[in-house]
Parts: sequence; structure tokens; C-alpha cells
Amino acid sequence: NAGVTQTPKFRVLKTGQSMTLLCAQDMNHEYMYWYRQDPGMGLRLIHYSVGEGTTAKGEVPDGYNVSRLKKQNFLLGLESAAPSQTSVYFCASSYSRWSDRGRNTEAFFGQGTRLTVV
Amino acid sequence: AQSVAQPEDQVNVAEGNPLTVKCTYSVSGNPYLFWYVQYPNRGLQFLLKYITGDNLVKGSYGFEAEFNKSQTSFHLKKPSALVSDSALYFCAVRDESGTNAGKSTFGDGTTLTVKP
Repeated sequence: NAGVTQTPKFRVLKTGQSMTLLCAQDMNHEYMYWYRQDPGMGLRLIHYSVGEGTTAKGEVPDGYNVSRLKKQNFLLGLESAAPSQTSVYFCASSYSRWSDRGRNTEAFFGQGTRLTVV
Repeated sequence: AQSVAQPEDQVNVAEGNPLTVKCTYSVSGNPYLFWYVQYPNRGLQFLLKYITGDNLVKGSYGFEAEFNKSQTSFHLKKPSALVSDSALYFCAVRDESGTNAGKSTFGDGTTLTVKP
């Protein structure tokens, strides 16, 4: 199993450019998440999804959009990149309360995408 | 609102001594609580969790954590620290109630340094 795979691993954007980060998981998890990690600020939830076709806002959703058209994929879009969006982005997935049987509730993380906006 | 607080940015301990990394939380329903560890330039790795049952949970690498409902705390502990435990530790809470079901929030992280 590949687990959670993020694409790309590194990217440099110019201000105003757009891009999409792809997260793919092969564990049949219902829940998927996008976080950003900045120095001294921990992990902040951008958007999350509790199932195919559903998305919800997290703590810092402004400037980002997401889509979950297939259960295994969760896309994070930046329509017009800004320097404030320079960060390391992590995708994660987990079973829901209803399917995990109490055993595998934890989240599995991708290796991260380092994005620089200049 | 759902939140997690890790009051210490940094914890320093000597190798062989016990360690504690503190975490308190706020959530509307019954919490799912987690600890994760992050090594430099890596993603987060799961250490342990509390869902229900015994308040003391044991996890990977000799770590354990105690769930205290009255104090809304979930402190991470290890009886004898190793230099290799040095890393960034995150506490997380997941709500499984109502409209916030599935929402998972992390603390700001605590850097643990174990000195030989």
C-alpha cells in the first residue's frame, strides 16, 4: 500500500498564479484533510471532507478551494497564489467513527508539499 | 469551538529522566484524542490515541498518555527518555458529534529535546 501520496512535493509559484495540490489515499478512508504548517503555528486545518462529494471549511479556508469527486482523492486549489500562502501543506486521511471499528481511527499523513509563493 | 492547547513550546529533559508533554482540549462531544510525532522534513506519525475505555493508554516507542476528563487533559508521558525521542510532538482532538463530525484540530506542537 502506498498510503497517502501528495503531488507535487515542491513547487514555486509567482503571485497570482494558480495551482492544484493532489492528495491520493488507497486505504478506503472516508475522512480526508488538508493542513498547512507554518513555524510556531502548528498544523492549521484548511478544509476537510467526511465523504465523497462533501467538503467543509476548517480554521483557515480563505484563498483555498477543495474538491472530493472520488473517495480516494482530495484536491486543494489555490486560485490566485499570495506570498502568505507560502507554507508546507499536509494531506491526511482516516476512517470515520462508523467504519473504523475502534481500531484504526488515527490519521495517516502524506509527506508534505513545500510551496513557495514569490 | 473545538481547540487544542499545548502550553509549552519546548520541553528539555535529560536522557533517562521521565518526560511529560502537556495537552488540554476543548470539544463539544466525546473527544477522540491523539498524539503524533514529527521528525525533521517528514510527515506526522501516529503515537497513540484515546477513544474510550481505560484512561491510561499506551502507544509506540514506550509512550503513554493519560486522559483526564475533569481537567480536559491528555498529557503525553514516558518513564525514561531517549535522545532519539527528540522531535516535534502534536496533540490532536477529533470531534465525532453533530455537524462537526470528523473535524480534526491540532495543537501548535511541542519541541522535545532530550540531552545525553
